[in-house]
Amino acid sequence: GAVVSQHPSRVICKSGTSVKIECRSLDFQATTMFWYRQFPKQSLMLMATSNEGSKATYEQGVEKDKFLINHASLTLSTLTVTSAHPEDSSFYICSATESRGYQETQYFGPGTRLLVL
Amino acid sequence: AQTVTQSQPEMSVQEAETVTLSCTYDTSESDYYLFWYKQPPSRQMILVIRQEAYKQQNATENRFSVNFQKAAKSFSLKISDSQLGDAAMYFCAYSAGRAGGTSYGKLTFGQGTILTVHP
Repeated sequence: GAVVSQHPSRVICKSGTSVKIECRSLDFQATTMFWYRQFPKQSLMLMATSNEGSKATYEQGVEKDKFLINHASLTLSTLTVTSAHPEDSSFYICSATESRGYQETQYFGPGTRLLVL
Repeated sequence: AQTVTQSQPEMSVQEAETVTLSCTYDTSESDYYLFWYKQPPSRQMILVIRQEAYKQQNATENRFSVNFQKAAKSFSLKISDSQLGDAAMYFCAYSAGRAGGTSYGKLTFGQGTILTVHP
């Protein structure tokens, strides 16, 4: 199956700093990538939809100035958590959509664990 | 808005036995997809099985099969011959089809069911 990578896998930062998370589709081009957030033992919540070459679409309640998303190429989307605070500590997961004919499949990255001190 | 409900926070099964995980959903769309994802302790999301709403035939993937009841908006997952490696959190998910416009491709997840497999 297709492979999606995320970097870093885990990051610890001080409150007030910014953190960038990269999501890459390694063996396919993804016009659409998604960013999710998952708290411990909870479900995944969609944060935003990232489309190559255009502005991201944020879900209701997600601060776009807080969570900056850039989709500069068909294989890379980045999520920047600006001025991170302890409540931003979470597990962030990206997914990338592979299109094969009519069928599209989302493949997930391994996730990034963010801890803000 | 679409909602996905998994009413079983935890389930357990003996190795080699069969277990069924429940999922119900609510939507006003006619074109949509349903999925079951597995999240093992590594937290990597793995697609187990998918079902297109327009298909009446239940999807199967080796030991995994679904019971798709469109009128009842029910989508259960049956795992046959359970193996220790099946232990994980299982998520039921919904996605609107292409007719859903901007909602197309976005996944809405249920709360998840933790599956324990006893040797």
